[in-house]
Amino acid sequence: DAGVIQSPRHEVTEMGQEVTLRCKPISGHDYLFWYRQTMMRGLELLIYFNNNVPIDDSGMPEDRFSAKMPNASFSTLKIQPSEPRDSAVYFCASRPTMSGGGDTQYFGPGTRLTVL
Amino acid sequence: LAKTTQPISMDSYEGQEVNITCSHNNIATNDYITWYQQFPSQGPRFIIQGYKTKVTNEVASLFIPADRKSSTLSLPRVSLSDTAVYYCLVGDRSNAGKSTFGDGTTLTVKP
Repeated sequence: DAGVIQSPRHEVTEMGQEVTLRCKPISGHDYLFWYRQTMMRGLELLIYFNNNVPIDDSGMPEDRFSAKMPNASFSTLKIQPSEPRDSAVYFCASRPTMSGGGDTQYFGPGTRLTVL
Repeated sequence: LAKTTQPISMDSYEGQEVNITCSHNNIATNDYITWYQQFPSQGPRFIIQGYKTKVTNEVASLFIPADRKSSTLSLPRVSLSDTAVYYCLVGDRSNAGKSTFGDGTTLTVKP
């Protein structure tokens, strides 16, 4: 399996622009997570889906952030409008229902977002 | 949900065994202990998971005492490439995404 795929790997944009990050989870995994990582705040969970349905979006910082999962093999995280404080590395992770006893997640390589 | 505490940083030398301990005093009955490794510019990678006693795989060993209030990740004979941040998480699969990553332990392996 190719693992979790994210695109783009790097994104540089200007304040006010719309940014769309994409994720393809591992086939057969029915949980999908979006995280944001910064030096100041560490790794934060933004939202997660189960069977394409958003379950918990309490980590989404503002209404400028939205996420969708139209099917089992694709998800997007959109920021509109973007602001410099959104600069971070955004990770997508997926997890099968039966992952042992714990919450074992498989992470993608991340998208490094820079908002100027 | 169980909160975890682990050292912020550790230093070691190549060839040594490294033990990183994580405290989780309020671990719940159904919780498992999971460790992740993160290299710079990469996403966290699952290393090992356990519920009690000892678990070993090709990468590491995980020691969990009977009271399960702590756990120790053991890396045998570390090399420079083991320099990374190591995260300890506690949770079970019914609480998906609820286990927070915290600050982790930055392990620096020196030649």
